[in-house]
Amino acid sequence: RKEVEQDPGPFNVPEGATVAFNCTYSNSASQSFFWYRQDCRKEPKLLMSVYSSGNEDGRFTAQLNRASQYISLLIRDSKLSDSATYLCVVNPRGHNAGNMLTFGGGTRLMVKP
Amino acid sequence: NAGVTQTPKFQVLKTGQSMTLQCAQDMNHNSMYWYRQDPGMGLRLIYYSASEGTTDKGEVPNGYNVSRLNKREFSLRLESAAPSQTSVYFCASSEGLARETQYFGPGTRLLVL
Repeated sequence: RKEVEQDPGPFNVPEGATVAFNCTYSNSASQSFFWYRQDCRKEPKLLMSVYSSGNEDGRFTAQLNRASQYISLLIRDSKLSDSATYLCVVNPRGHNAGNMLTFGGGTRLMVKP
Repeated sequence: NAGVTQTPKFQVLKTGQSMTLQCAQDMNHNSMYWYRQDPGMGLRLIYYSASEGTTDKGEVPNGYNVSRLNKREFSLRLESAAPSQTSVYFCASSEGLARETQYFGPGTRLLVL
């Protein structure tokens, strides 16, 4: 089983729609969680951290469910510019390589006019 | 600030050839990383350097070597390239291993024939 699993998509949604992605992680000891965004043929960039209490940044909301070991990203009022691949990232504290990040394979979002 | 820079952007090698991928950061970060990204696999850590003078293996180190030349520069060497090393290579840096925001370079696309 992969340490971090995501539905690869693509999710095709119209502009203005609300879309949500989930990501599951296998290491119950994981402490920190993030969403990164990666545009086509570009490098990943941090979108937002995911806190236990959930957090919101404009149209983006991230939630953590420790009991079920998943995190989610909700995008409201989708824009064409939201089209990208969204990477779920976990810090599996206790990993034998130190405080390393583990990346999911990404979920591709395509927002259509 | 250029952030993280990588050279070259593209490279085609024949099986058995060697090459070095260069990475530099101007953010005065302590930690640097090399990842490879393959379709559906997510980013996988090849090697990392927690601080100047130290390097450690990541998840997929076989076939690669690294050098932390100074605080700014971290190079990745393929001694004898194989087709399985065809991938996109990203260098990243962070303030420290415990700092989970990593900043990525633009990537090097490598094709091994």
